[in-house]
Formats: sequence, C-alpha cells, structure tokens
Amino acid sequence: EAQVTQNPRYLITVTGKKLTVTCSQNMNHEYMSWYRQDPGLGLRQIYYSMNVEVTDKGDVPEGYKVSRKEKRNFPLILESPSPNQTSLYFCASSHRPFGTGGETQYFGPGTRLLVL
Amino acid sequence: GQQLNQSPQSMFIQEGEDVSMNCTSSSIFNTWLWYKQDPGEGPVLLIALYKAGELTSNGRLTAQFGITRKDSFLNISASIPSDVGIYFCAGRRSGGSEKLVFGKGTKLTVNP
Repeated sequence: EAQVTQNPRYLITVTGKKLTVTCSQNMNHEYMSWYRQDPGLGLRQIYYSMNVEVTDKGDVPEGYKVSRKEKRNFPLILESPSPNQTSLYFCASSHRPFGTGGETQYFGPGTRLLVL
Repeated sequence: GQQLNQSPQSMFIQEGEDVSMNCTSSSIFNTWLWYKQDPGEGPVLLIALYKAGELTSNGRLTAQFGITRKDSFLNISASIPSDVGIYFCAGRRSGGSEKLVFGKGTKLTVNP
C-alpha cells in the first residue's frame, strides 16, 4: 500500500529539548516536504527536498532543520523547540513535479506537537 | 511568506446544493491544486491543474485554472454529507520553484 508514515503522531516536550519527527514514504518519490498547520493560517511549507541531498527552505524554515540522506526518509529536526512551534505537522511526498501533469501528492497522517 | 486569498472562509449549505469556492493571488502560478482535509487526517489531493484556462472534473467536483493564472475555483455539485471538511487551494509559482503556497481553507458544512 502506498503511504507516507510519520512518527510520533503525538508529542509533548519542553522548551529547548531537541526532537526529531520522522517521515518515510514507500513510493520511491523524489520530492518530499514538511508543512505546519495552524488555526486560521492554513498550511505553510517549512522545507522541501527535490531528491537525496537536495533540500531548500519553504516559507517558514526558522527553527527547523531537515536532512535527506536516503530517498525514502525526510526527518524534521527541532534543535531547540520553542512554544511557538506548537503545531500540527504534515509530511508529504510526490514524484518530482515540475508541472508535467499526472502528479499525485500524498500526505502523512500528521504529528501533533506541544512545546511547553 | 505569501499565502493565497481563499474564499469563503466557511459555508453552511443544505444537502443537494451546489458549492463554489475560489482562490486568488497577486502572483502568477503555473500549477493550481485543490485538496480536501477530513478531521484528524492529512489533506488529500482532489484535482490538479496545469494550464491556464484548463477545466478539470473529478466526479461531482470541477476546478478551473484562471486564464490570468492568478486564480482558480472549485465547484461541488449536488453536495452530500460526506463532502464536509476543509478544502484548500494551493499554487506553485512559475519559474521552476518547488514551493507550494496554500490558501487558508474553506470549511464546508452540509446539513442533511
């Protein structure tokens, strides 16, 4: 079954304690990205990756890091989490788009993070 | 960062009615996407549009890529209770950027 998995699904942590949210896809997709979703603000892109070792900032990258050492995995790292990073996080993947048509993007189930 | 202007913010309709929502931007986009998000789940892609003027249907859903490339609309015909959810538009700017910009969503409620 084609899917994007995220772990953990729920996390409560304290300010400054480093954490990693994992994302994995089984569809051999080149393109992966991370979003955060906040009430009234919709989805905002944090980082994206077009392939292994190729990453770039989205619209709200501050306070986050990513890595893409393998095609299937795209972890999101919060080196020193702060309360304003409390949010619902989604990972997504697709074949490299470039507007060629026929693309399908898959989202993971989400990770709800609370930073105290 | 830039976000798209999506309207309306919310809609309350009766089952069987048609629904229309739209997104506008001050920038030109080369791709428009429409998603639906059910409570507690991630967004699911409904329709993707790649050419100005393109009109695409997916069952009772129809979406159009505006001719100016700065807007798009989504229509749902003969709504049913399972259409309830939040609908998001998203656009990819021209110039080869892989960034996706999202609207803030339209929350749809369908009364049986």
